[in-house]
Amino acid sequence: DVKVTQSSRYLVKRTGEKVFLECVQDMDHENMFWYRQDPGLGLRLIYFSYDVKMKEKGDIPEGYSVSREKKERFSLILESASTNQTSMYLCASRTGTPIGYTFGSGTRLTVV
Amino acid sequence: KQEVTQIPAALSVPEGENLVLNCSFTDSAIYNLQWFRQDPGKGLTSLLLIQSSQREQTSGRLNASLDKSSGRSTLYIAASQPGDSATYLCAVRGGADGLTFGKGTHLIIQP
Repeated sequence: DVKVTQSSRYLVKRTGEKVFLECVQDMDHENMFWYRQDPGLGLRLIYFSYDVKMKEKGDIPEGYSVSREKKERFSLILESASTNQTSMYLCASRTGTPIGYTFGSGTRLTVV
Repeated sequence: KQEVTQIPAALSVPEGENLVLNCSFTDSAIYNLQWFRQDPGKGLTSLLLIQSSQREQTSGRLNASLDKSSGRSTLYIAASQPGDSATYLCAVRGGADGLTFGKGTHLIIQP
């Protein structure tokens, strides 16, 4: 089975800190995605990547950036964390073939 | 822009009942549709994936159908069990740029 691993289950950070959320997949998938999930708003796409060093903005990219230096790793970066970025962050990957998405177990980020 | 709606938002039924969760989407030009399960505080677990050319998929007690022309999908759960309690999410893939999710159906199965 494909595994998508998010390095932290829970994180607490202070306002203004630079925050890195890491995601690693083990099945050589080309495509990787970052979502955030909030009550009443559902899952929303932040950024995605088709390949190494490639990135595309999703629906809500403001306040975030990403890095994909290696195919298996996709990092989400909060340049200056704010309280409105408190959320559950979910990473996903898939191949280019008609296979579904595989999600990680999520990182619950609290910004205080 | 694609919009996905799930009805009902919440459902509570006694153990053993068969039940149907509904999902509708506004743009029928989809690549595929995927049903997920999410337990509280956890990530998403894929249940079923239906390609746009398919009508249904089955896995154990779960059956998902797709009517692309009318923009509808249903998830049928047979002989429900307390362990089925979770939030069920429907998501459509319209192209290369990620999934569009519904807000989910929160399901409680009463023992």
